[in-house]
Amino acid sequence: DAKTTQPTSMDCAEGRAANLPCNHSTISGNEYVYWYRQIHSQGPQYIIHGLKNNETNEMASLIITEDRKSSTLILPHATLRDTAVYYCIVSIRGGTSYGKLTFGQGTILTVHP
Amino acid sequence: DVKVTQSSRYLVKRTGEKVFLECVQDMDHENMFWYRQDPGLGLRLIYFSYDVKMKEKGDIPEGYSVSREKKERFSLILESASTNQTSMYLCASSLPGLATDNEQFFGPGTRLTVL
Repeated sequence: DAKTTQPTSMDCAEGRAANLPCNHSTISGNEYVYWYRQIHSQGPQYIIHGLKNNETNEMASLIITEDRKSSTLILPHATLRDTAVYYCIVSIRGGTSYGKLTFGQGTILTVHP
Repeated sequence: DVKVTQSSRYLVKRTGEKVFLECVQDMDHENMFWYRQDPGLGLRLIYFSYDVKMKEKGDIPEGYSVSREKKERFSLILESASTNQTSMYLCASSLPGLATDNEQFFGPGTRLTVL
């Protein structure tokens, strides 16, 4: 699996958009970008994934650059409950990987009142 | 509401003890995973299973074994617990297939302390 690089920590004001960047310059053509988050004392939670098109769901938006070497997770209106560690992961789907994910250090997002 | 449950939130064991960590999911998922999480090291995959009685080693299987006798249950076994196995243990499950393989549902974790 390709490796990812994320900032160690970020701050965001409540109600503002939180934009979390991720670099994955060695991503291969069949690898997807996944985002998970982990709120303190809980297990990780799946947020969103994408291949090359931008994606949006009820939790967040995912913007992937045209060359696929980086992506940004956007929380449009951050709340205090969004304070968590956010993990960007690249992985192939299916086949012998059986959904095996490699979690890095992630970005600690702190949302301030 | 989908659920992955783990038998204990906190567990304290002594060095040399045999330890069983249980994980149960109610989503009829074929894939199940065991991770450990340590400060500065992130989540690391210990073992995973893609079907009943099937298992595959993850990145750090040494000192651990697993059992998958029923689809909904995946057990992690520490044959002889050591202090370096003190950690947070997380179980996860997912559906197989291109659409869902990597969308894993996690349990709340078991914080194991080995004295």
